[in-house]
Amino acid sequence: SAVISQKPSRDICQRGTSLTIQCQVDSQVTMMFWYRQQPGQSLTLIATANQGSEATYESGFVIDKFPISRPNLTFSTLTVSNMSPEDSSIYLCSARTGTSGNTIYFGEGSWLTVV
Amino acid sequence: GNSVTQMEGPVTLSEEAFLTINCTYTATGYPSLFWYVQYPGEGLQLLLKATKADDKGSNKGFEATYRKETTSFHLEKGSVQVSDSAVYFCALDAGGTSYGKLTFGQGTILTVHP
Repeated sequence: SAVISQKPSRDICQRGTSLTIQCQVDSQVTMMFWYRQQPGQSLTLIATANQGSEATYESGFVIDKFPISRPNLTFSTLTVSNMSPEDSSIYLCSARTGTSGNTIYFGEGSWLTVV
Repeated sequence: GNSVTQMEGPVTLSEEAFLTINCTYTATGYPSLFWYVQYPGEGLQLLLKATKADDKGSNKGFEATYRKETTSFHLEKGSVQVSDSAVYFCALDAGGTSYGKLTFGQGTILTVHP
């Protein structure tokens, strides 16, 4: 199984600021994704992080608000820009490994609170 | 589009009781199906999966069978423990152009009392 590490694990952020979340996988993976889990809610896919090209965003999410980078096959970042209290959520990175069939693993999440 | 529907929660059981959490899905083609568990204050852990019809996924005493005829993937455990208290998410990967992207159900909160 893949081990996925996220940083920071938790943070309290000021309104109007931006925060970058890092996601590191312990092996090369074909696909990486970013999800948001608002308080008490299920998970919603934000975007697919494409290696070497722009991320592919789901409906309702835009690059200006959630810029994503993926410089190589093991690492990605998600920035939450110009934060408001509505952005208080858990942000989770996931990766699909090619060696264990169609299995998608998740990081432990980054718990952001915007005040 | 693709969707996953889980039984309404929360579910409260006594230790050693039998657990069923219903999950039904809508998808074209042949999706892969997953159950994930989220313990309090933690991220998401893969509990079990099934990739084709009639497959049974199992782990830690939990089981779920991929039923294409009823488009269901119900989670069961014969005897729950207090440590099973968590939120359980059913999810599907529709494959094709959506390969690797998961659609989640709303989650079911399980509380097990001693």
